Amino acid sequence: NAGVTQTPKFQVLKTGQSMTLQCAQDMNHNSMYWYRQDPGMGLRLIYYSASEGTTDKGEVPNGYNVSRLNKREFSLRLESAAPSQTSVYFCASNSGTDGSSGNTIYFGEGSWLTVV
Amino acid sequence: SQQGEEDPQALSIQEGENATMNCSYKTSINNLQWYRQNSGRGLVHLILIRSNEREKHSGRLRVTLDTSKKSSSLLITASRAADTASYFCAPQETSGSRLTFGEGTQLTVNP
Repeated sequence: NAGVTQTPKFQVLKTGQSMTLQCAQDMNHNSMYWYRQDPGMGLRLIYYSASEGTTDKGEVPNGYNVSRLNKREFSLRLESAAPSQTSVYFCASNSGTDGSSGNTIYFGEGSWLTVV
Repeated sequence: SQQGEEDPQALSIQEGENATMNCSYKTSINNLQWYRQNSGRGLVHLILIRSNEREKHSGRLRVTLDTSKKSSSLLITASRAADTASYFCAPQETSGSRLTFGEGTQLTVNP
């Protein structure tokens, strides 16, 4: 049981390049999330998906697109990277239902992205 | 969704002391969760307290919730150097709704 797995762990991009961050969870969770965390700051929600086939904008969606490929996978795409998108990106998931564990969110280990 | 606001922003204590962190939020909630983030790692869930609960314990952690004041506190007793981390609260308005996070409390436990 790997939990939430995201790749790559580190990436350096040039301004204007595109890339996709991949995320997969093996906990049969309905909801998945992408957050970004800038140095010394909290997490800001970029996009989330409450269930397979649905996606919604979070606090900071500009410059990003997402795809909920299936129940397991939720990818984040930067179409034209900008230095302001230099950050640590976290994928997360939860059941989205009120089970005995409540709505605990499980996080991946993060992807460090630098745009130069 | 709403985010909690943690206070203080930073806290430095000696090993063995207790650490108390506070969280305030704005609207009614279904539950409130606390997470820990070690440097360079993802967040890890610590404890969840439901709106009809006033206090909850887990090992050296004690969480209280006062829905009338819209506030929660996290107490870590007999702190250890390994407790050094950032701590975030996440109020959840309804079951299943998305979580947003504040800037957290950076706790440093000095050996």
